[in-house]
Amino acid sequence: AQSVTQPDIHITVSEGASLELRCNYSYGATPYLFWYVQSPGQGLQLLLKYFSGDTLVQGIKGFEAEFKRSQSSFNLRKPSVHWSDAAEYFCAVVSSGSARQLTFGSGTQLTVLP
Amino acid sequence: DVKVTQSSRYLVKRTGEKVFLECVQDMDHENMFWYRQDPGLGLRLIYFSYDVKMKEKGDIPEGYSVSREKKERFSLILESASTNQTSMYLCASSLPGVPYEQYFGPGTRLTVT
Repeated sequence: AQSVTQPDIHITVSEGASLELRCNYSYGATPYLFWYVQSPGQGLQLLLKYFSGDTLVQGIKGFEAEFKRSQSSFNLRKPSVHWSDAAEYFCAVVSSGSARQLTFGSGTQLTVLP
Repeated sequence: DVKVTQSSRYLVKRTGEKVFLECVQDMDHENMFWYRQDPGLGLRLIYFSYDVKMKEKGDIPEGYSVSREKKERFSLILESASTNQTSMYLCASSLPGVPYEQYFGPGTRLTVT
């Protein structure tokens, strides 16, 4: 069965610093991969997705992620973090076969220091 | 913009009560989902529906049921609430061609005492 691991429960960065959130997946075939963000009191919002093709994908709010098959990773990055990026971030995977179910990681809580 | 609304942001119920959580989407999406979100566990799928009157079990359906009588509305039912069902419940919807691009509601924080 597919699974997603987010090894960092909580990350703290200073405003203006770069950010990388880690995501590792376990799935035999090429997965479809996603990053969602949940701001305080809000539902989840899709940041970006990877289906195939270029392994570096751009998303909203200045985020990008890189798919690395050799490392089974799909890490989220942002060159300069803003205070409004403080939120919880979820990585998710869906099998190309099921086409319906997302499997989510446990989430990474991001704190941004002024 | 797609809008997914949930009937309550906060709900407090007693053990043994029957609880209804309502979700409505305004974008004519075929697929709708119910998740629960717990710290350290991420989101876990309870049930989903890909059409009116259709439903499929997710990963943790025990203790829950669902109803979808109209396309825009998907209800989650706790037949007899228990304290271990205290959680955040999130509803989502999506188009049939891209079921994994889901649009989420703001969530209902349910406390069972």
